Amino acid sequence: GESVGLHLPTLSVQEGDNSIINCAYSNSASDYFIWYKQESGKGPQFIIDIRSNMDKRQGQRVTVLLNKTVKHLSLQIAATQPGDSAVYFCAENISGAGGFKTIFGAGTRLFVKA
Amino acid sequence: DTEVTQTPKHLVMGMTNKKSLKCEQHMGHRAMYWYKQKAKKPPELMFVYSYEKLSINESVPSRFSPECPNSSLLNLHLHALQPEDSALYLCASSQDGTNTDTQYFGPGTRLTVL
Repeated sequence: GESVGLHLPTLSVQEGDNSIINCAYSNSASDYFIWYKQESGKGPQFIIDIRSNMDKRQGQRVTVLLNKTVKHLSLQIAATQPGDSAVYFCAENISGAGGFKTIFGAGTRLFVKA
Repeated sequence: DTEVTQTPKHLVMGMTNKKSLKCEQHMGHRAMYWYKQKAKKPPELMFVYSYEKLSINESVPSRFSPECPNSSLLNLHLHALQPEDSALYLCASSQDGTNTDTQYFGPGTRLTVL
């Protein structure tokens, strides 16, 4: 989701349920996308990535879906656990002069209820 | 060793002070990054070093001066900062700066400018 003002969108799920976090990206020329997890007091941690020539990629308990037609990315977390509580950012790598740069989305806070 | 370390963890400085933030990695990575993250916002790219050369400067004010003394170290020199520069400063590194590299983030330095 997109943030409005100073408040991060929040997703609240019950422990054991599946979570889906959505992200809209901006640049149709982006060819690489990443999901990061950021816990309080820590830097972002890589979760999973996907290249633009794919539409789905699975990891351990996580799946990323890419829809280039509508420039939409989603992260699915299976059997969500309390340790999954964090802020999740999607990011896109955009190539340009001098190399590439990573642009982060606004972030979504996931809250897991025990 | 898959860790990026940053020192100090916290820094409080006045607007006339000069200070430096330090970042270190021993993963043999050849690309290093500085990001700025305000509260409840995503990280924003500031600088990219690739093979010890500055490759991207995202129009950052000159009161922030990056330095890459060698492939393992990245510094950010601060001078005459403003209160609005208070933020979490994150360092990251990646294999060689290609756009499909995984970036590994440090825990950040929380900077307060009085």
